[in-house]
Amino acid sequence: AQKITQTQPGMFVQEKEAVTLDCTYDTSDPSYGLFWYKQPSSGEMIFLIYQGSYDQQNATEGRYSLNFQKARKSANLVISASQLGDSAMYFCAMRLRGSSNTGKLIFGQGTTLQVKP
Amino acid sequence: DVKVTQSSRYLVKRTGEKVFLECVQDMDHENMFWYRQDPGLGLRLIYFSYDVKMKEKGDIPEGYSVSREKKERFSLILESASTNQTSMYLCASSLWARTGVFTNYGYTFGSGTRLTVV
Repeated sequence: AQKITQTQPGMFVQEKEAVTLDCTYDTSDPSYGLFWYKQPSSGEMIFLIYQGSYDQQNATEGRYSLNFQKARKSANLVISASQLGDSAMYFCAMRLRGSSNTGKLIFGQGTTLQVKP
Repeated sequence: DVKVTQSSRYLVKRTGEKVFLECVQDMDHENMFWYRQDPGLGLRLIYFSYDVKMKEKGDIPEGYSVSREKKERFSLILESASTNQTSMYLCASSLWARTGVFTNYGYTFGSGTRLTVV
């Protein structure tokens, strides 16, 4: 079954420290994409980072990096130097090829991150 | 700035009412999606559309239908609203995936509609 699992319902981190949010996935398709989104209390989904299954290097975007371990089927998000504005819900998602090549996203349950001053 | 706009931020409806949630995108994206978000369950796909008048069921289509008469507009319809459909509804759009091209597909989400059915 194709699935995304986030096992940490809630996390705390001290401001300026790094934090890792866990994500594991399950698919038998060799072609897939992995995404992380941030959802602040305002509700909008903000795209953070993307990793394709054939990408050789781990994706990085500013303070965000994706620790992609293909054999373990994990795609953990690392946020360096946490800021108060990082407090939000974080979702891991996987894009699967559909029969129409639409590519639907499936999501994990989410992790709520709180950054302490 | 590219946008996906959902017509209502908050909505309160009565049980049994027919409810329309509207979504409009201005990016000329081929694909559009409707998700519902519930605590502890993440986002679950209700329906998606890859072209005008084309639609496919997602993981939880029961009690919902959709309409896509124009490329930019994708409507979610609750035929007879029930209290278990109280939820946050998110619309999204994305590029169509061309074979061999692996990008982030430009997924863009609306701000969501928080629907309460009483």
